[in-house]
Amino acid sequence: AQSVTQLGSHVSVSEGALVLLRCNYSSSVPPYLFWYVQYPNQGLQLLLKYTTGATLVKGINGFEAEFKKSETSFHLTKPSAHMSDAAEYFCAVSEFEAAGNKLTFGGGTRVLVKP
Amino acid sequence: EAGVAQSPRYKIIEKRQSVAFWCNPISGHATLYWYQQILGQGPKLLIQFQNNGVVDDSQLPKDRFSAERLKGVDSTLKIQPAKLEDSAVYLCASSLVAGASNEQFFGPGTRLTVL
Repeated sequence: AQSVTQLGSHVSVSEGALVLLRCNYSSSVPPYLFWYVQYPNQGLQLLLKYTTGATLVKGINGFEAEFKKSETSFHLTKPSAHMSDAAEYFCAVSEFEAAGNKLTFGGGTRVLVKP
Repeated sequence: EAGVAQSPRYKIIEKRQSVAFWCNPISGHATLYWYQQILGQGPKLLIQFQNNGVVDDSQLPKDRFSAERLKGVDSTLKIQPAKLEDSAVYLCASSLVAGASNEQFFGPGTRLTVL
């Protein structure tokens, strides 16, 4: 069974500082990994995804994530935080099973950006 | 391109009442998902449709929840009777096809409060 753990339910960063959100996964087969962002009262929007190939994945809004199989991690980073990055971020893992491509989400990390 | 539409956006009911949510996926998307997102948690898959057939409903509380996707387009999710613990945001998502690497597009959700 697949699972996702996000370390830290809340993260506070200063504007211009590094954003680092941690995600560890468990999967019995090679995983597909995703980061989604959720702004208040909105649905989830895909930031980036890892399927195969290059382990460093670049996404929208300056975010990137690196897949590290040995550490079962997929941490999300952004070099310089902007006020508009304040939102909740969800890491998710998917495996293609007989029943479909089920997405399993972590508990989420809420990011606060201080001016 | 229009996104995933959901209605209503907000609903307040008393326990033991019934409620229904509606979802219109992105045009041409064969796969449709309903997720339940309890406050402070990540979304949890309730049911997945491929066209008008159910692919996975293993986490749907079938004694009170039901869902249908007639004609393989719009979908409705019903709760009857509602319990206090059903208070959550119900997210609908769609994808072009069912594949573990495929992006799921999310609607804005319906926030249900059960009193």
